[in-house]
Amino acid sequence: DILLTQTPLSTPVTLGQPASISCRSSHSLVHSDGNTYLSWLQQRPGQPPRLLIYKISKRFSGVPDRFSGSGAGTDFTLKISRVEAEDVGIYYCMQAKQFPLSFGQGTKLEIK
Amino acid sequence: EVQLEESGGGLVQPGGSLRLSCTASGFNFSRYSMNWVRQAPGKGLEWLSYINNSSSTIYYADSVKGRFTISRDNAKNSLHLQMNSLSPGDTGVYYCARDWGIIGYWGQGALVTVSS
Repeated sequence: DILLTQTPLSTPVTLGQPASISCRSSHSLVHSDGNTYLSWLQQRPGQPPRLLIYKISKRFSGVPDRFSGSGAGTDFTLKISRVEAEDVGIYYCMQAKQFPLSFGQGTKLEIK
Repeated sequence: EVQLEESGGGLVQPGGSLRLSCTASGFNFSRYSMNWVRQAPGKGLEWLSYINNSSSTIYYADSVKGRFTISRDNAKNSLHLQMNSLSPGDTGVYYCARDWGIIGYWGQGALVTVSS
C-alpha cells in the first residue's frame, strides 16, 4: 500500500501571505500510463472534500489560480500564493496510482 | 451540473446492517467508475471501495473487505454500499465520489452512526 505523509499538520497563515504544504509518498506515483495521479483536495468545515489539483499541477474547474501544485515522483507541494479567509480548512493529498487509494493525514490551514 | 446525493444513513446497532445509496445526475453515469470514501468524526479521509462502470472490476479496503459490498444500477443511475457486521469504528460520514484518477465530484455525505 502507498503511504502519503503530509507536512506540516497545521499551518497558521496571515491573510495575503503564501502557504505551502508538502506531501511525500512511500512509492513513486507514476502510473504505467505515464500519468502521475497525485491530487490535492480542500475540505472546508462542514463540507465534503473539493478537488483543487489533479495530476500534480492541473487545476480543477473553478479553482482560483492562487492554488498551484508541483512535484514529481514521490515529493509534491501545494502552494497558495495569497491566502484568503475562505481558504481555511483541511487540505489532503491523495494518490490514485493504485488501489487501495490513499490520502495524506490532512493539513489544517488557519488564519493567524 | 454533476450531482451526487447519498441516502440511507442513520443509527444502527453494533452487528447490524445498513444500505447506502448514491443517486447521480447531470452526467452519463454508466460511463464512470465510482468510489465510496468515509470520514470518521474528526478524522481524515478513508477510501473504502471502487467499482468500474460495468461492475466488472471491484476493489475494497482491507478494513471493510468481507463486510461491505459495492454495487451499481446503471439503469437507475445509482450506486450502493451494503454494510454488514457494523461496529462503532464504522461510524462516520460516507461519501460517494466519481471516477478514480481525477475524483472531481463528491456527494454531500451520509452520516452512519453505529451505537447501542
